[in-house]
Amino acid sequence: ETGVTQTPRHLVMGMTNKKSLKCEQHLGHNAMYWYKQSAKKPLELMFVYNFKEQTENNSVPSRFSPECPNSSHLFLHLHTLQPEDSALYLCASSQDPGSGGVEQYFGPGTRLTVT
Amino acid sequence: KQEVTQIPAALSVPEGENLVLNCSFTDSAIYNLQWFRQDPGKGLTSLLLIQSSQREQTSGRLNASLDKSSGRSTLYIAASQPGDSATYLCAVSVGNQFYFGTGTSLTVIP
Repeated sequence: ETGVTQTPRHLVMGMTNKKSLKCEQHLGHNAMYWYKQSAKKPLELMFVYNFKEQTENNSVPSRFSPECPNSSHLFLHLHTLQPEDSALYLCASSQDPGSGGVEQYFGPGTRLTVT
Repeated sequence: KQEVTQIPAALSVPEGENLVLNCSFTDSAIYNLQWFRQDPGKGLTSLLLIQSSQREQTSGRLNASLDKSSGRSTLYIAASQPGDSATYLCAVSVGNQFYFGTGTSLTVIP
C-alpha cells in the first residue's frame, strides 16, 4: 500500500468499550498527527508526534491515548468514550514540521460512532 | 490563537464557470498555507502548498495565491467540472500547529 492508511474505516463502540485506531504511513515521513473532524466544525488537531516523540497535545481528554512505536505507525487508544466523541478521526503525516513549512498527507479516516 | 475563515460556506455553479474560493487567517506569522479537497466521508487530498515566501502556486486548472500581509489566500478553479464537486479546505501551519477553516462546499452542476 502507498500513502497513509487507517484501520478500521468504520467503528461502532459502546461507552464502556476499549478500542484502538491504527494509522500507517508509507511515505518515509518523520511526523504523524491525529485530527478530529466533527460536523460543521474545523478539523481539530489532537496530537503531534515527531521522530516518535509527542510534541503537541492540544488539551485532549485522557480517554484518548496516543501511541507511536515508530515513525511509520500511530495508534489512538480509546476507552470510556462519550457520544460527543463520535466523529471522523483522521491521521496525517509529514516531514519534520520543525524544519519549516511542511506538506501534510492524510489517510481516509475512521468514522467512529459511540453509542 | 490563529483563526481561519473560509467564505462562502457553500457555492453552486454551472459547469464551465471559473470560480474563486477565499480563505483568511488572523495571524500572518505562518510557515505555509495548504489547500485540500475532501469528498464526502473521505480523507483530505492535498491540492496545493504555498510556502510563506511564495505568492502563488499552480497545478493544472488550479491556482492558489497567498497574501501573507493581509492574511488572505484564494483558490482559483478554471473551467469547473462536475468532478470538482467537493469540500475545499485551507489550512495554515505555525511550527507544529496546523489550523483549518470549516471549508467551502462546492457543487458544479452539469
